[in-house]
Amino acid sequence: EDQVTQSPEALRLQEGESSSLNCSYTVSGLRGLFWYRQDPGKGPEFLFTLYSAGEEKEKERLKATLTKKESFLHITAPKPEDSATYLCAVQARGGATNKLIFGTGTLLAVQP
Amino acid sequence: GAVVSQHPSRVICKSGTSVKIECRSLDFQATTMFWYRQFPKQSLMLMATSNEGSKATYEQGVEKDKFLINHASLTLSTLTVTSAHPEDSSFYICSARADGDRTYFGPGTRLTVT
Repeated sequence: EDQVTQSPEALRLQEGESSSLNCSYTVSGLRGLFWYRQDPGKGPEFLFTLYSAGEEKEKERLKATLTKKESFLHITAPKPEDSATYLCAVQARGGATNKLIFGTGTLLAVQP
Repeated sequence: GAVVSQHPSRVICKSGTSVKIECRSLDFQATTMFWYRQFPKQSLMLMATSNEGSKATYEQGVEKDKFLINHASLTLSTLTVTSAHPEDSSFYICSARADGDRTYFGPGTRLTVT
């Protein structure tokens, strides 16, 4: 069964304190791994898509990496506005609907 | 980036009534749209996949007669919660797939059934 596990569930950082969020996955053939940011009461906002092991993508203070078993979202020198829930999702190959399977997210709080 | 809208953003209804939620892709055509529900502090749970012009595909455990989905055009999908009950209160989010694999989410609809 395809599965996505994110850790930690919650993370509190001081402004400027870099860290990483983890997304471990089990999928029968990875089509893509997605990272989203979700603010309270809003829909997820797309951040990155990764397709193959070794791939990396960056956007401002965020960098996503991918291996065959997990993905990391690295946050460098975070600011309070980076506070949000970060969601990881995978899409499996061969599915009729190409649906996304989400993890439970990591709630990030960055304190000034 | 692509924009997906939902209407209404919040709705309160009485138990036993039906509620319709609209999901629109504003600047692209989406052959596939998805409907999720999200309970507080939980992740998104896929309810159904909606393809334009065909019947929706429901996830296991989702009642198709209770959650009616219509994907009438390449830019509009609707979710109707029929005979709503308090346990249907949740945050409903739609998403639309653009060309390739990128999926864009709407801002969500908060449904409260009293």
